[in-house]
Amino acid sequence: DTGVSQNPRHKITKRGQNVTFRCDPISEHNRLYWYRQTLGQGPEFLTYFQNEAQLEKSRLLSDRFSAERPKGSFSTLEIQRTEQGDSAMYLCASSPRQGEAPLHFGNGTRLTVT
Amino acid sequence: QKEVEQDPGPLSVPEGAIVSLNCTYSNSAFQYFMWYRQYSRKGPELLMYTYSSGNKEDGRFTAQVDKSSKYISLFIRDSQPSDSATYLCAMSASGGSNYKLTFGKGTLLTVNP
Repeated sequence: DTGVSQNPRHKITKRGQNVTFRCDPISEHNRLYWYRQTLGQGPEFLTYFQNEAQLEKSRLLSDRFSAERPKGSFSTLEIQRTEQGDSAMYLCASSPRQGEAPLHFGNGTRLTVT
Repeated sequence: QKEVEQDPGPLSVPEGAIVSLNCTYSNSAFQYFMWYRQYSRKGPELLMYTYSSGNKEDGRFTAQVDKSSKYISLFIRDSQPSDSATYLCAMSASGGSNYKLTFGKGTLLTVNP
C-alpha cells in the first residue's frame, strides 16, 4: 500500500490557462474521489468515480472542470480557463468498497492562479 | 447554519495535556463519523472512524459520538509536539452517498514542548 499519489504537488499558472492534475489511487481501490480545499476550510466534495464511471458531480464543478478515469485506474482533473477563484488544494481520495472503509486522501495538488 | 460546526481555534496546550476537540452537526442522516489530522501542506490523514454512536479508542486517541446530541469528540491523551496539526471532523450519511464527506473547518492545535 503506497498510498494515494498526486502530481504535481504545486502548480502556479496564469489566469486563463488550462491545467491538468493526476491522481493514482491505492491499488485495488475501485472508488476514486476529488475534493477541493480552500484556505481555512475543510475539503468539499467535487466528484466520484466507481471504476471508470463518473457517478456524481457536485454543483461546485463548473463547466470549466472535467475529470476522467479512462481505465478505472488513475484519474485526471482538468481546469480550463483558470480563474483566481480556482486557487485551492485539490485532493484525491480512494476507497476499496462502498460502505466498507473511509476515504484515504493523497497530499493534494496546490493550485495558485495569478 | 452550516451542516457541521467546528471551532477553528487555535488551541495551544502544553506537552502531556489532554486535548478535547469537538464538532456539532445538524443533519440527522449522518451515520459515519471520522477524524482526520492534517499537517501543513499535506493531505488529511485518517485518525479515527466510527459508525453510529459510541466510543472508540486507538492508542492515545478516543473518539466519541453522541447522536442524540449531534455531537462528536476526539480526545488526545498525553499530547505530544508531533500532534500539532489541524484536526478535521468529517461525517457522511449511510447508503449510496456515504462517500460524500461533509467536513468541519478544522481546529488548529499546537502542543508546546
